[in-house]
Amino acid sequence: NAGVTQTPKFQVLKTGQSMTLQCAQDMNHNSMYWYRQDPGMGLRLIYYSASEGTTDKGEVPNGYNVSRLNKREFSLRLESAAPSQTSVYFCASSAAGGLGEQYFGPGTRLTVT
Amino acid sequence: GQSLEQPSEVTAVEGAIVQINCTYQTSGFYGLSWYQQHDGGAPTFLSYNGLDGLEETGRFSSFLSRSDSYGYLLLQELQMKDSASYFCAVRDNQGGKLIFGQGTELSVKP
Repeated sequence: NAGVTQTPKFQVLKTGQSMTLQCAQDMNHNSMYWYRQDPGMGLRLIYYSASEGTTDKGEVPNGYNVSRLNKREFSLRLESAAPSQTSVYFCASSAAGGLGEQYFGPGTRLTVT
Repeated sequence: GQSLEQPSEVTAVEGAIVQINCTYQTSGFYGLSWYQQHDGGAPTFLSYNGLDGLEETGRFSSFLSRSDSYGYLLLQELQMKDSASYFCAVRDNQGGKLIFGQGTELSVKP
């Protein structure tokens, strides 16, 4: 049981480049989430998917798109990266309803120069 | 707006007890969670309170008062490995969506 996996672990982009962050979970969870965490800050929700086939905006969706490919996989795309998107990105999943318990992946450390 | 307030830093000595408070103001409320994050690592779930009162899990306890929009995490018999950031998070709808506080950095000294 790998839990939640994310690729890549590290990435450096130039301004204007695009990339997709991949996330997969093997816990048969219905809900998946993408967060960003800036130094000394809490986690801010970018997008989430309450169930397969649905996606919704979180607190900071601008500049990002998501795809819930199937029940296991939820990807985050940066179409035109900006230095303000330099951050650590975490993917998480939870059972339906979740009772406040989410399982997080190890994170992707992204730098945009 | 939606906001969660928690102290930015707390310092305590090994073996002591520490309490990390969290007050919240959110449009909806279905429960309060606590997460631990070690430097450079992923957040891990500690506890959840859906109803008023105390929940105990080993050395950690969490308390909720919905009427006061307030909760706390209590860590007993502190160990060096408890040095980490602790986040409170409000579940603001019937789904699993969480709103996180900015975190409290706990330093445990020998």
